[in-house]
Amino acid sequence: KNQVEQSPQSLIILEGKNCTLQCNYTVSPFSNLRWYKQDTGRGPVSLTIMTFSENTKSNGRYTATLDADTKQSSLHITASQLSDSASYICVVSGRGGSYIPTFGRGTSLIVHP
Amino acid sequence: GAVVSQHPSRVICKSGTSVKIECRSLDFQATTMFWYRQFPKQSLMLMATSNEGSKATYEQGVEKDKFLINHASLTLSTLTVTSAHPEDSSFYICSARLNTDTQYFGPGTRLTVL
Repeated sequence: KNQVEQSPQSLIILEGKNCTLQCNYTVSPFSNLRWYKQDTGRGPVSLTIMTFSENTKSNGRYTATLDADTKQSSLHITASQLSDSASYICVVSGRGGSYIPTFGRGTSLIVHP
Repeated sequence: GAVVSQHPSRVICKSGTSVKIECRSLDFQATTMFWYRQFPKQSLMLMATSNEGSKATYEQGVEKDKFLINHASLTLSTLTVTSAHPEDSSFYICSARLNTDTQYFGPGTRLTVL
């Protein structure tokens, strides 16, 4: 069964600090992995997408890494801002079939001033 | 990036009534759209896959007669919650598939059933 596990479930940090969110998956065969940011009461917005051959991808202060061998990904947020407070969801898609991505439960990040 | 809209953004209805939610892809055609439900502090749960011109595919445990899906055009899919009950109160999110690797999410619809 395809699964995506995220950790930690929730995280509180001070403004300006860095943090790293983790995502482990069992989806196979692998196609791509996306990190989404979901503000409360809003739809998810894509931050990064990574395919099998990519190890690192950055989007501003967000840097995602992927280790396809160990089936792990991380999202690193640098110099956090209050607006980073949101839920971060890891979504993994497999190859072939009807393209139904598997969602992680998300990490709730709260940035305090 | 591509834009997907949902209407309404919030709806409050009485128990037993039906509610229709629209999902539109504004600047691209989507043969496939997805409908998700999200309860507080939970991740998105796929309810059904909506295919233009054909019947929707429902996930296990989702009642197709209660959650009616119509994908009549390449830019519009609708979800109708029939005979809504308080336990149907949730955040409903659609997404539209641009290509094999990419789907764009709508802003969501908050449904409250009294």
